Amino acid sequence: GQQLNQSPQSMFIQEGEDVSMNCTSSSIFNTWLWYKQDPGEGPVLLIALYKAGELTSNGRLTAQFGITRKDSFLNISASIPSDVGIYFCAGEGGATNKLIFGTGTLLAVQP
Amino acid sequence: DVKVTQSSRYLVKRTGEKVFLECVQDMDHENMFWYRQDPGLGLRLIYFSYDVKMKEKGDIPEGYSVSREKKERFSLILESASTNQTSMYLCASIPSGTVTETQYFGPGTRLLVL
Repeated sequence: GQQLNQSPQSMFIQEGEDVSMNCTSSSIFNTWLWYKQDPGEGPVLLIALYKAGELTSNGRLTAQFGITRKDSFLNISASIPSDVGIYFCAGEGGATNKLIFGTGTLLAVQP
Repeated sequence: DVKVTQSSRYLVKRTGEKVFLECVQDMDHENMFWYRQDPGLGLRLIYFSYDVKMKEKGDIPEGYSVSREKKERFSLILESASTNQTSMYLCASIPSGTVTETQYFGPGTRLLVL
């Protein structure tokens, strides 16, 4: 099945640093979603993007829907220890009621 | 708050056993999904269901089957468990409509097949 290319695979940063991760696809998507998975839990939706070029913020998180509709990025500013987890992008691109998920970015934040 | 529960957080089974993973949601959602999560591969869709007794194959249905006899319950069945089915299994649900509405995930079941 189709998968999204998500990078980086992992990041180890100091508290206070900014973080950036992105997803790319060979296909066009109509919607991009960003999820966070805390250790031992299921993913939780952070941000949803519905239009090409859209830039949306949720607290310290900012995500953008790429103009080409084939990519999206997520930025986290001034990281804190509770930002630790796995971040997934997901895209929805057609008539099917299915999401395609990225491979995930593991974020570790050292206090 | 929507709640999606999964019957077990951790499960250890032997090769060849029949395994049932249960998922229950309490918000009357039409659509339910089963994913497996593996390091470096993200979440991959196994099966989904958009109504009672309805099911659709996802991207990796081989070796799995599902059952949706009641709206709130979606079961994933491993007919004969194999070691390559060791994984984290996640259930999700959404109301009717598109998946661009948030998918509510359960906490996951970590399955180890020996």
